[in-house]
Amino acid sequence: ETGVTQSPTHLIKTRGQQVTLRCSSQSGHNTVSWYQQALGQGPQFIFQYYREEENGRGNFPPRFSGLQFPNYSSELNVNALELDDSALYLCASSQTGQHVEAFFGQGTRLTVV
Amino acid sequence: AQSVAQPEDQVNVAEGNPLTVKCTYSVSGNPYLFWYVQYPNRGLQFLLKYITGDNLVKGSYGFEAEFNKSQTSFHLKKPSALVSDSALYFCAVRDSFGGSYIPTFGRGTSLIVHP
Repeated sequence: ETGVTQSPTHLIKTRGQQVTLRCSSQSGHNTVSWYQQALGQGPQFIFQYYREEENGRGNFPPRFSGLQFPNYSSELNVNALELDDSALYLCASSQTGQHVEAFFGQGTRLTVV
Repeated sequence: AQSVAQPEDQVNVAEGNPLTVKCTYSVSGNPYLFWYVQYPNRGLQFLLKYITGDNLVKGSYGFEAEFNKSQTSFHLKKPSALVSDSALYFCAVRDSFGGSYIPTFGRGTSLIVHP
């Protein structure tokens, strides 16, 4: 098991609502990335935070936003939920660098109805 | 632009036989390549990576991967498969050109090891 923990593990929301997902990174890691994994697909990069600043963003609309806190934990916020937002949301922490591997949490399964 | 392809949705192998899960990539600069495994309802677990150096990389749980620059491939291998290896395997790439920190993952290959 990695030291990355996510909460909640499962969540059901209604279309149009807002959701906040949380992630605690592994000790010693200053970088957190969020991914969306739809059923049968690979993880899609949403964004990355390094020292509380957004450090890269994938092809996701602005209603996907995030925060990183001084202790390097992080939140993913999604506004105006759509049915297609239903997916497994993965948080990954790492040290800084292109060549370093990421350590993933167990994910939050979000279902939008 | 960077991309990665896993041409097989599913690989079936008998326990004790060697296994190969294929991955090819496309980058502008030099590739940083990774393999991860995902068990049902779990996050991804890191298996191994190629940064530079020896083309054969050894990783966790007896897995290894061979980097082939001319074929732009990074196939995952194991000499003797176990039933417990059955899972979803993802290849990922980062391009050294441009300093991108955004990785690209393949769609995944489901490995099924039969007893």
